[in-house]
Amino acid sequence: AQTVTQSQPEMSVQEAETVTLSCTYDTSESDYYLFWYKQPPSRQMILVIRQEAYKQQNATENRFSVNFQKAAKSFSLKISDSQLGDAAMYFCAYSLSGAGSYQLTFGKGTKLSVIP
Amino acid sequence: EPEVTQTPSHQVTQMGQEVILRCVPISNHLYFYWYRQILGQKVEFLVSFYNNEISEKSEIFDDQFSVERPDGSNFTLKIRSTKLEDSAMYFCASIVPQGRVEQYFGPGTRLTVT
Repeated sequence: AQTVTQSQPEMSVQEAETVTLSCTYDTSESDYYLFWYKQPPSRQMILVIRQEAYKQQNATENRFSVNFQKAAKSFSLKISDSQLGDAAMYFCAYSLSGAGSYQLTFGKGTKLSVIP
Repeated sequence: EPEVTQTPSHQVTQMGQEVILRCVPISNHLYFYWYRQILGQKVEFLVSFYNNEISEKSEIFDDQFSVERPDGSNFTLKIRSTKLEDSAMYFCASIVPQGRVEQYFGPGTRLTVT
């Protein structure tokens, strides 16, 4: 079974600074997807960024980027120029690729606080 | 932009009662999901639904749960006899899985069992 581990229950960052959230996962598969979802206090799940395992290039979306280390099974999220609106729970998630139901396996989350 | 909708936003029910949570997935999506998040815990997969049948389910999805797509738009989760431990946020999600595999989540239904 696949597992996703987020070892930082809480993190804080000063506004405009950079923060990195860690995620490791365990799988015996070679083809899969990794995601970061943001959950603000409204509890809506919002996709931040995704990474295909077959791609060596790290995904970026504006101020959000990932450091994907396939051999180490590590998938960290870097938030640059942090804004107050970035304060939320962040969940790392895994999904198998190919045939199947693509269900997500989530980590326990990291609560990010942004200090003005 | 199309979005997944869920109703109601908050449901309060008494233990032992049946509840139905409703979702309207994005219209051209093919896979549908229910997830559960107990307060303060991680999001857990319950069930996936494709081609009008369950494609996978977790060990949480026992006989008290059922899903249905009664028409071309709605996707429902029924809990037959609610327990206190069923209190959670329930999220519906949908996916195209043709090139884009990220799941689009609804805003969730908060279920409170008293």
